[in-house]
Amino acid sequence: GAGVSQSPSNKVTEKGKDVELRCDPISGHTALYWYRQRLGQGLEFLIYFQGNSAPDKSGLPSDRFSAERTGESVSTLTIQRTQQEDSAVYLCASSFKAGGGNEQFFGPGTRLTVL
Amino acid sequence: AQRVTQPEKLLSVFKGAPVELKCNYSYSGSPELFWYVQYSRQRLQLLLRHISRESIKGFTADLNKGETSFHLKKPFAQEEDSAMYYCALSSGTYKYIFGTGTRLKVLA
Repeated sequence: GAGVSQSPSNKVTEKGKDVELRCDPISGHTALYWYRQRLGQGLEFLIYFQGNSAPDKSGLPSDRFSAERTGESVSTLTIQRTQQEDSAVYLCASSFKAGGGNEQFFGPGTRLTVL
Repeated sequence: AQRVTQPEKLLSVFKGAPVELKCNYSYSGSPELFWYVQYSRQRLQLLLRHISRESIKGFTADLNKGETSFHLKKPFAQEEDSAMYYCALSSGTYKYIFGTGTRLKVLA
């Protein structure tokens, strides 16, 4: 079956522009995560969606970052007025349900480069 | 604060040699620990979790609460084990804390 997909795979943008990253989770997975991975760093939690509950946005680094998810389907991560420090790989993951111990299935990531 | 530390960025071993990828964590409660792996040109995937007490691809990891460690071990490394390995901690909620990763290179 299809895994988690993300688009675009690569995005190069100029400082100050807005970007939108997309994640398609595995069908039936209620939980969806966004992570950021800067070069040489671990995965940094950004935001979490679980069904129709209010998302946990505690990991978003600034108000330039926002994310939405429609029901239990597609999610988009938007970065406004991009800065060079936003350059990173953005990973999306989904799991069948919430809670620790549940395997996360990762997408291939979107590599964002801000010039 | 919750933290996962992987002290080695790169670990090189010869084929057939034992491997130990170190992971230490900081958490006051009862954590759930995981190892995720990313092979070249593949996506990040779960390798094993401590609650399963399983061996996957010859790898095992034991949770040592006294030393707050969850080291990944394999007695005889194979070239196909070359990959990036991430240790992760979950506090029982949905949040996961990932380490910075260790790149394992198995030399022929």
